[in-house]
Amino acid sequence: QQQVKQSPQSLIVQKGGISIINCAYENTAFDYFPWYQQFPGKGPALLIAIRPDVSEKKEGRFTISFNKSAKQFSLHIMDSQPGDSATYFCAASNTGAGGYQKVTFGTGTKLQVIP
Amino acid sequence: DAGITQSPRHKVTETGTPVTLRCHQTENHRYMYWYRQDPGHGLRLIHYSYGVKDTDKGEVSDGYSVSRSKTEDFLLTLESATSSQTSVYFCAIRGVSTGELFFGEGSRLTVL
Repeated sequence: QQQVKQSPQSLIVQKGGISIINCAYENTAFDYFPWYQQFPGKGPALLIAIRPDVSEKKEGRFTISFNKSAKQFSLHIMDSQPGDSATYFCAASNTGAGGYQKVTFGTGTKLQVIP
Repeated sequence: DAGITQSPRHKVTETGTPVTLRCHQTENHRYMYWYRQDPGHGLRLIHYSYGVKDTDKGEVSDGYSVSRSKTEDFLLTLESATSSQTSVYFCAIRGVSTGELFFGEGSRLTVL
C-alpha cells in the first residue's frame, strides 16, 4: 500500500524555469512532511520540511505548498538550475509507540534541468 | 557530515550466500534505520532500532534480520541472499530535535 503518492516520475525543465513535484498522502496522522534531495551515488539529504499547521514554507528558491484538506503537498523550485538536477523524494511521518518516527517515502522524481 | 559510515559500499555475491551490511554512527543517536532503494519504489523501510538490542520490523523485512549490540553499530543480515535483494541499502539515523533523517552513502548489493 503506497501511502504517499508522488508525481511525476521524471521531469525535464529548462534553466530558469519552475520545477513542480506533487505528493498526496492518505494517513491523517502524519504530522511532518519533509522533502529529500539525492544526487547520484549519495544518500538522500533533507532539503526542506513543513508541518501541517502552515500552508507554505519557503527557503531560498525552494517552496513547499501544503493543502491539509486535500491531503496534498508540493515542492516548487524557482529559477531551476542545472545543479538542481537530482532525485527528489517527498515523505510523511508521524510518531509511533515509544517515540519511533515512522517515515513513509514517495517513489521519487528524477529532475533534469537543461541549460 | 552526520558521522554515518556504511560498509561495504559495494558487494557482489551469489544466491544463497549470507551477507552482512554494517552501519556505524559516531553521533550516539538512539534511532537507526535500514532502507532499501529500488527504481519505482522509492525508499522502503526494512528494519529499525530504537536502542541497544531493541529492534523492530519495517514494511519489507522478510528475508532480513538486524542486530544492535552497541549504540554505534546497526547490522543488516541477509541469511540467504536472493536476486530480489539486489538493491541499494541505506542506513539512516534520526536527528534528535527535528526528526530529520541523516543517511549514509549507501551499500550497493548485487546478488547473482
